[in-house]
Amino acid sequence: DAKTTQPPSMDCAEGRAANLPCNHSTISGNEYVYWYRQIHSQGPQYIIHGLKNNETNEMASLIITEDRKSSTLILPHATLRDTAVYYCIVRVARRTSGSARQLTFGSGTQLTVLP
Amino acid sequence: EAQVTQNPRYLITVTGKKLTVTCSQNMNHEYMSWYRQDPGLGLRQIYYSMNVEVTDKGDVPEGYKVSRKEKRNFPLILESPSPNQTSLYFCASARNTEAFFGQGTRLTVV
Repeated sequence: DAKTTQPPSMDCAEGRAANLPCNHSTISGNEYVYWYRQIHSQGPQYIIHGLKNNETNEMASLIITEDRKSSTLILPHATLRDTAVYYCIVRVARRTSGSARQLTFGSGTQLTVLP
Repeated sequence: EAQVTQNPRYLITVTGKKLTVTCSQNMNHEYMSWYRQDPGLGLRQIYYSMNVEVTDKGDVPEGYKVSRKEKRNFPLILESPSPNQTSLYFCASARNTEAFFGQGTRLTVV
């Protein structure tokens, strides 16, 4: 799986968009970008994933650059409850449940939403 | 509600006293796994199971056992706990691309 690089910490004002970057310059063609978050000592929570195209769901948007070497997770209107560690993970997605196995969580980005 | 349930949430035990942490999921997922999380080391996989009666070692399996007798349950067994197994443990189940994690079990071995 490709290695990812994220800033260790970021702050964001409540109500503003939080933009969390991730570099994955060694990503290969069949690898997806996944985002999870972990609110203090709780179990990680899946947010979103994508391959090439930008993706949006009820939680966030994922913008992937055309060369796929970096991506940005966007929380459009951050709230205090979005304070968490955000993990960017790159791996192959398969049609079996094994595709989510052995997720490799790096250090992530500690996002602090300020009132 | 789709969920992964771990019990207990908190446990303090003594060295050498066998313990089991239970994990149950209600999503009919074939894949389940256990992770431990330690400061500075992140989340590391202990064991995983691709289906009933199919288990395999993750990155840090020493000192742990698992079993998968039925699809919904995947208990983690510490036959003889030691202080270096003091950690925060997470159970997860997964479908194709999304993993669901339990709320965690904070284990202290004294």
